Amino acid sequence: DAGVIQSPRHEVTEMGQEVTLRCKPISGHDYLFWYRQTMMRGLELLIYFNNNVPIDDSGMPEDRFSAKMPNASFSTLKIQPSEPRDSAVYFCASSLADIFNEQFFGPGTRLTVL
Amino acid sequence: SQQGEEDPQALSIQEGENATMNCSYKTSINNLQWYRQNSGRGLVHLILIRSNEREKHSGRLRVTLDTSKKSSSLLITASRAADTASYFCATLRNSGNTPLVFGKGTRLSVIA
Repeated sequence: DAGVIQSPRHEVTEMGQEVTLRCKPISGHDYLFWYRQTMMRGLELLIYFNNNVPIDDSGMPEDRFSAKMPNASFSTLKIQPSEPRDSAVYFCASSLADIFNEQFFGPGTRLTVL
Repeated sequence: SQQGEEDPQALSIQEGENATMNCSYKTSINNLQWYRQNSGRGLVHLILIRSNEREKHSGRLRVTLDTSKKSSSLLITASRAADTASYFCATLRNSGNTPLVFGKGTRLSVIA
């Protein structure tokens, strides 16, 4: 398996633009997590899904952020409109069977909002 | 606030020396996991220790868990330059169906 795949790897956009980050989890994994990492705040859990259903989105910073998982092999994180404070590295991770297990992280998307 | 807090924030050692990183947490846990993150990469799982375990080994890694003190330590023996990375502890709470909570990490530099 290729591991968790994220695209794009780098995104530079201007304030106010819509940004869509994509993730393909490891096949067969039941859980998918979206994280944001910054120097100031560390690694923050934004939202996670179980069997394509959002379970907890309390970490989503505000209504500008939304996430979907239309099927078991694809998820998106959308920011609309983007702001400079959204600049961070966004990681997607997946895990097998239950949340007790180890998480497998993707390489991340480095987002820069000018 | 973060469930797990690593200490120290940064550590610099010579190749061949041992590196010890600590993690403290606040609530009772089901398990505690350690992850490594190389610069510009995603996190990679290293080892998991359950709440009823006190020590676990994996290659040059040794993890201890003291639930009475709510703390864990990660020891890397005979460090190598390739061990340079950030190391994170992540805790899984014992109550509810909540996922892992990560600390802010320890940045380890191993100087050749």
